[in-house]
Amino acid sequence: DQQVKQNSPSLSVQEGRISILNCDYTNSMFDYFLWYKKYPAEGPTFLISISSIKDKNEDGRFTVFLNKSAKHLSLHIVPSQPGDSAVYFCAATGTSYGKLTFGQGTILTVHP
Amino acid sequence: GAVVSQHPSWVICKSGTSVKIECRSLDFQATTMFWYRQFPKQSLMLMATSNEGSKATYEQGVEKDKFLINHASLTLSTLTVTSAHPEDSSFYICSARKQGPTGHEQYFGPGTRLTVT
Repeated sequence: DQQVKQNSPSLSVQEGRISILNCDYTNSMFDYFLWYKKYPAEGPTFLISISSIKDKNEDGRFTVFLNKSAKHLSLHIVPSQPGDSAVYFCAATGTSYGKLTFGQGTILTVHP
Repeated sequence: GAVVSQHPSWVICKSGTSVKIECRSLDFQATTMFWYRQFPKQSLMLMATSNEGSKATYEQGVEKDKFLINHASLTLSTLTVTSAHPEDSSFYICSARKQGPTGHEQYFGPGTRLTVT
């Protein structure tokens, strides 16, 4: 049972435009959500997170939106840069869990 | 900062031998560390949760006698793959949870590529 789903395996965007990566979850016990960026043969790099008490968190070019009623979150990257090309994973956890549950990842390609 | 290192970054071993992978939090103390495994083109699979000074908690389907985890200090956890077989070949990644306002962020090491011949 995939509790965290990223339904788009890949996304292609032009440099300077907005990248929107989506993530859905099913477990209502999740109350904290994170986005990670990963290059091949490297560990994931933490990007941004959001608590369930918020619906938006912003850090520079990255903004995460959370829609609790829809059990959906998204990561917006504006403006997109070629260096953003990587695999993006969303992850979720519950206060009592500690461990993260990851989605399958979305490959983002930003074209110059 | 929150830097996590892993050693070695890659290792080749013969079938039947054991391999130890180290995970260190370099600039913070981590009471909890996690070990993941990633297969090609797949997501990260949590193998076990390692708590300093206590036994690791393994996920369902992960053999605890095959994947020995030791978390001897607040900055070091080790994963030993015992009697390795070719099917154990994979990319192993550790993470460490940094204590903070939320305590949920995990910071990952660069990973270790294990190839068993």
